[in-house]
Amino acid sequence: QKEVEQDPGPLSVPEGAIVSLNCTYSNSAFQYFMWYRQYSRKGPELLMYTYSSGNKEDGRFTAQVDKSSKYISLFIRDSQPSDSATYLCAMEAAGNKLTFGGGTRVLVKP
Amino acid sequence: GAVVSQHPSWVICKSGTSVKIECRSLDFQATTMFWYRQFPKQSLMLMATSNEGSKATYEQGVEKDKFLINHASLTLSTLTVTSAHPEDSSFYICSASVDSFTQETQYFGPGTRLLVL
Repeated sequence: QKEVEQDPGPLSVPEGAIVSLNCTYSNSAFQYFMWYRQYSRKGPELLMYTYSSGNKEDGRFTAQVDKSSKYISLFIRDSQPSDSATYLCAMEAAGNKLTFGGGTRVLVKP
Repeated sequence: GAVVSQHPSWVICKSGTSVKIECRSLDFQATTMFWYRQFPKQSLMLMATSNEGSKATYEQGVEKDKFLINHASLTLSTLTVTSAHPEDSSFYICSASVDSFTQETQYFGPGTRLLVL
């Protein structure tokens, strides 16, 4: 079993819809949770960073962490074609390396 | 701020040759840099962690003699793929962190695509 599980998709939604992404994890030592966006043939770009259970909002993005269920989510409101990319969740135990999920491909159709 | 660059962005080489990839933090000093490899439609796999002035720490299964890492300064780390073979063809991405104890703020470079013929 992988430490971090993420549905690979692809997830196809119409423009303007809400994109819902999630990851589950098994390592209870993970304390920091991140979401990255990666366009094809580019490096990952940090979107959201959280370290406590609950919600964190930044513009159209909302990150949600439920440590009791070992489950994190990312919601993208009012999705745009430019949001089409692969979204990677990543987690870190204190003072340790990042562990990435496999990534979910998202396609927002105009 | 927090920009990481990589050079070259892509490289094609013959089997058996060595290739050097540079990773630079442009506007901050990075105490720790990381090298990742990403195969098509797969996630990032950490290869090694390098701290300025010390030897790199390699992940299990990564050959340290094949993937030479040098972190000579706080703004530059290099990865040399020695005696490259077609199976080494991949997307290599570096990241840089300001604080080695709070590695959650990793900034990624744009990646280097390597094709070994």
